[in-house]
Amino acid sequence: AQSVTQPDIHITVSEGASLELRCNYSYGATPYLFWYVQSPGQGLQLLLKYFSGDTLVQGIKGFEAEFKRSQSSFNLRKPSVHWSDAAEYFCAVGAYGTYKYIFGTGTRLKVLA
Amino acid sequence: NAGVTQTPKFQVLKTGQSMTLQCAQDMNHEYMSWYRQDPGMGLRLIHYSVGAGITDQGEVPNGYNVSRSTTEDFPLRLLSAAPSQTSVYFCASSASTSYEQYFGPGTRLTVT
Repeated sequence: AQSVTQPDIHITVSEGASLELRCNYSYGATPYLFWYVQSPGQGLQLLLKYFSGDTLVQGIKGFEAEFKRSQSSFNLRKPSVHWSDAAEYFCAVGAYGTYKYIFGTGTRLKVLA
Repeated sequence: NAGVTQTPKFQVLKTGQSMTLQCAQDMNHEYMSWYRQDPGMGLRLIHYSVGAGITDQGEVPNGYNVSRSTTEDFPLRLLSAAPSQTSVYFCASSASTSYEQYFGPGTRLTVT
């Protein structure tokens, strides 16, 4: 079955600390992978996407993610977290020719001053 | 360029009432979709459309209808509202070439 797992429901980090949010997927076809961010009361905004090529992708707001096919993972990272990064983060998977995206359940990030 | 717009922002319905959630985009995107977001469940796809006149079911279509008569608009109809449909509803659109979805601000629906 196709699925996306974000094992951490909540993560708390101190401002300036590094961050890694985990995402594992199960998908039959070659996946297209996405990370979205949702601030409270807002819609979702795309942080970055991976279709093919270099497995380390850079996104907006200083985020990056690494695609590891052998581990079926697409973890999101940021070297130094800012208070404004507090939000909920969603990993999603799709594929070429299909628009039926599957979203993970989200990870809520809290940033301590 | 307004992007993806949704109306209303908030709505309270009584069980059994019907209503239509509006979604419009001005980016000439072929693909549009409706999701519902519930705590701890992420976003679940209700219905989607790959172009005017073409719609298909997503993961949780029961109780909802859609139509796509124009490229710009993709309304979601609740036929007979139930408390289980209390949720936040998001509309999204994307170009067929980019697969990047642009989301609207959402509609918070409460069914009592």
